[in-house]
Amino acid sequence: GAVVSQHPSRVICKSGTSVKIECRSLDFQATTMFWYRQFPKQSLMLMATSNEGSKATYEQGVEKDKFLINHASLTLSTLTVTSAHPEDSSFYICSARVQYSGANVLTFGAGSRLTVL
Amino acid sequence: SQKIEQNSEALNIQEGKTATLTCNYTNYSPAYLQWYRQDPGRGPVFLLLIRENEKEKRKERLKVTFDTTLKQSLFHITASQPADSATYLCAPDSGGGADGLTFGKGTHLIIQP
Repeated sequence: GAVVSQHPSRVICKSGTSVKIECRSLDFQATTMFWYRQFPKQSLMLMATSNEGSKATYEQGVEKDKFLINHASLTLSTLTVTSAHPEDSSFYICSARVQYSGANVLTFGAGSRLTVL
Repeated sequence: SQKIEQNSEALNIQEGKTATLTCNYTNYSPAYLQWYRQDPGRGPVFLLLIRENEKEKRKERLKVTFDTTLKQSLFHITASQPADSATYLCAPDSGGGADGLTFGKGTHLIIQP
């Protein structure tokens, strides 16, 4: 089945540094990938839609200069949290749409737990 | 504004009983209603979807119903097991396929042995 591989699974960094999270579609091509963020005991919040070969589209309230998204190939999207601060500590999850019974459902990566000290 | 409501309090069910989870939505006209399972520290996993013209869908011990008049979907797990303990998320889907999904807060289901 369609698998999305995400890494690192956990990252701890100092405040002010940048962190890159990679999301790869294995055995399928994803022209579009979706990045979500989840705070403890909260729902998944869609941050941005990553489009292969073009600019990402960001949800309202998400700073595009803070969360840089690059989707340079049909199997790789990256999210870079720039100048990270403790409030950016969260669980970041990527996903892609895959076909299921004539519809499109989301297949998710395992997530990346970011802790900013 | 659009809203998705799930009973976000923890739902405690005794092993062997049927667990019923509710998803209500406002200001959506979904072509599908999707259900996902999320375990702690993991990404969600797709479970089932039901189309707007379907009343009920089953998959093994799972059953989903969809009432577009009530704007509600019910998710049932029969013969529940402790391994079913997880957070269950619902998402109305317009069916376009190009957009990300918006999820409810989820219901934390605990199956007690």
